[in-house]
Amino acid sequence: GDKVKQSPSALSLQEGTNSALRCNFSIAATTVQWFLQNPRGSLINLFYLVPGTKENGRLKSAFDSKESYSTLHIRDAQLEDSGTYFCAAEAASSGQKLVFGQGTILKVYL
Amino acid sequence: GALVYQYPRRTICKSGTSMRMECQAVGFQATSVAWYRQSPQKTFELIALSTVNSAIKYEQNFTQEKFPISHPNLSFSSMTVLNAYLEDRGLYLCGARYTRNSDYTFGSGTRLLVI
Repeated sequence: GDKVKQSPSALSLQEGTNSALRCNFSIAATTVQWFLQNPRGSLINLFYLVPGTKENGRLKSAFDSKESYSTLHIRDAQLEDSGTYFCAAEAASSGQKLVFGQGTILKVYL
Repeated sequence: GALVYQYPRRTICKSGTSMRMECQAVGFQATSVAWYRQSPQKTFELIALSTVNSAIKYEQNFTQEKFPISHPNLSFSSMTVLNAYLEDRGLYLCGARYTRNSDYTFGSGTRLLVI
């Protein structure tokens, strides 16, 4: 089965609202990265996490290694937040490999 | 800041021919480089992981004979898709990092179309 399960697969948000994306891991994740893929395909780094939380502007992310999940919270969504969000986890058992989730397609509308 | 330049951005090749893509790390030393392929369905497959002074490790379903990789120094890596066919279409991405305790920075990807 999927080692990194990401939900939801798609999400529509009205501008100004809040939401959260989630990744559940069936591997013993040690670090997590969150990316935004823009329409051209570039992966933009959002967060790199060891267990704990980080915040950057309207984005906040948490990684709980014991409960094997990570979340990405988007506050006050803006049109430019639209794109596909990916989480990726690294586990001791997988060497230095990043295992990606399937992505969440986010569309922000007026 | 850490940047990875990847080129070309897009390429079209005839079925059975080969194409090469390159990644250049700027602002940090790319000790490890991971090459991924993103399918049209958006899933990421790891092709291989290259660490300087170590053997390149290919994932199942990917071979050196098909996807030879070069990682000659701490700022450059290249990968060739040999004898490309339709199933090789997709977005190829390289990600580089300095140490095991640092994040991966990805290039902008090379979109491969095979005709």
